[in-house]
Amino acid sequence: AAGVIQSPRHLIKEKRETATLKCYPIPRHDTVYWYQQGPGQDPQFLISFYEKMQSDKGSIPDRFSAQQFSDYHSELNMSSLELGDSALYFCASSHTSLEVRVYFGPGTRLTVL
Amino acid sequence: GENVEQHPSTLSVQEGDSAVIKCTYSDSASNYFPWYKQELGKRPQLIIDIRSNVGEKKDQRIAVTLNKTAKHFSLHITETQPEDSAVYFCAASKGDYKLSFGAGTTVTVRA
Repeated sequence: AAGVIQSPRHLIKEKRETATLKCYPIPRHDTVYWYQQGPGQDPQFLISFYEKMQSDKGSIPDRFSAQQFSDYHSELNMSSLELGDSALYFCASSHTSLEVRVYFGPGTRLTVL
Repeated sequence: GENVEQHPSTLSVQEGDSAVIKCTYSDSASNYFPWYKQELGKRPQLIIDIRSNVGEKKDQRIAVTLNKTAKHFSLHITETQPEDSAVYFCAASKGDYKLSFGAGTTVTVRA
């Protein structure tokens, strides 16, 4: 079965640079979520989109922004990167009209030097 | 917002024994409680979930129980195997399915 796709899988950036993470949800899923997971921590909710509209916002820094496009893929844009932004970033998706379950992508490991 | 507490933080069991992880939640409006298994550097994988209209659910060696009155739910793994070693996260959600996670339990199954 098709799963959530994320790219790139690994990304190395310098401080103050920008990064763009991409997510392709499971086909026919209408909701996309972004989570940040630091080393040894639980995933922290950043933001979600339902049918291309922002549906909820969590602990997402103002330096980050995200959007969902007409083909349902989503991008997380991160600017003025800081060392503390180094983490695993997971995208997840669900289909809210069915019995909802949230499935995670493989993640993007961002390292800020 | 929702606050989920998870205990214990680490759990070591002998192969073949049972493992139990417990979580409590704060928001009585939460109605969906999934459990995820995460291996090092990998994605969280949904292993079982329960909704607030059900008190117990079982899937082979894994079972989850929910006590809405006490606002706690538990994961039970029976006949543990080495491949059960991982970090397990409980989560809680209201109808929006934004997940609030517990801090995780590192389970080690000793052969």
